[in-house]
Amino acid sequence: KQEVTQIPAALSVPEGENLVLNCSFTDSAIYNLQWFRQDPGKGLTSLLLIQSSQREQTSGRLNASLDKSSGRSTLYIAASQPGDSATYLCAVRGAYSGAGSYQLTFGKGTKLSVIP
Amino acid sequence: DGGITQSPKYLFRKEGQNVTLSCEQNLNHDAMYWYRQDPGQGLRLIYYSQIVNDFQKGDIAEGYSVSREKKESFPLTVTSAQKNPTAFYLCASMDRGTDTQYFGPGTRLTVL
Repeated sequence: KQEVTQIPAALSVPEGENLVLNCSFTDSAIYNLQWFRQDPGKGLTSLLLIQSSQREQTSGRLNASLDKSSGRSTLYIAASQPGDSATYLCAVRGAYSGAGSYQLTFGKGTKLSVIP
Repeated sequence: DGGITQSPKYLFRKEGQNVTLSCEQNLNHDAMYWYRQDPGQGLRLIYYSQIVNDFQKGDIAEGYSVSREKKESFPLTVTSAQKNPTAFYLCASMDRGTDTQYFGPGTRLTVL
């Protein structure tokens, strides 16, 4: 069974700092990996999706990388801002066939606080 | 505006009662999902539906039921058989063209 781990569980950084969030997964047979942002008491917002054949994806100050063979992904946030404060979750979609193939397995998230 | 709506935002239930959480989407997505989120936990899949009139159990389906009579709607009923229903419930739909899941704002259910 796929397991997704995110370390650290919480991170506090000063404004302007570059930072890296980590995600690891136990089964490398994945179809894609997705990073989400969740603000307190809200739903999730998709940030970046990396297909298994890709190495990285970029959107603005965000860059996500994927090393499928080692079961790892990182989310790099450049020049952090207080508005980046949120919980960041990663999720993997397994490379299975059938009805279950559209399921995502989520990590528990990293709670990021950017201090002004 | 296209998106997913969930209602109510907050819901209180007495023990022994069934309650139904609403999820509606106007994104024209076939696939829809219900997740449960507990403090400090990742999202856990309750039920999912790939198409109208079809749905499958997820990892924690016991004590829950769903229906999918319309493409736009995927309501979740929390039955009295669910022993620990207090949680944050999230509904999502999936764009199969981009493989992206879109989430609603969530419903926080509290058992009194």
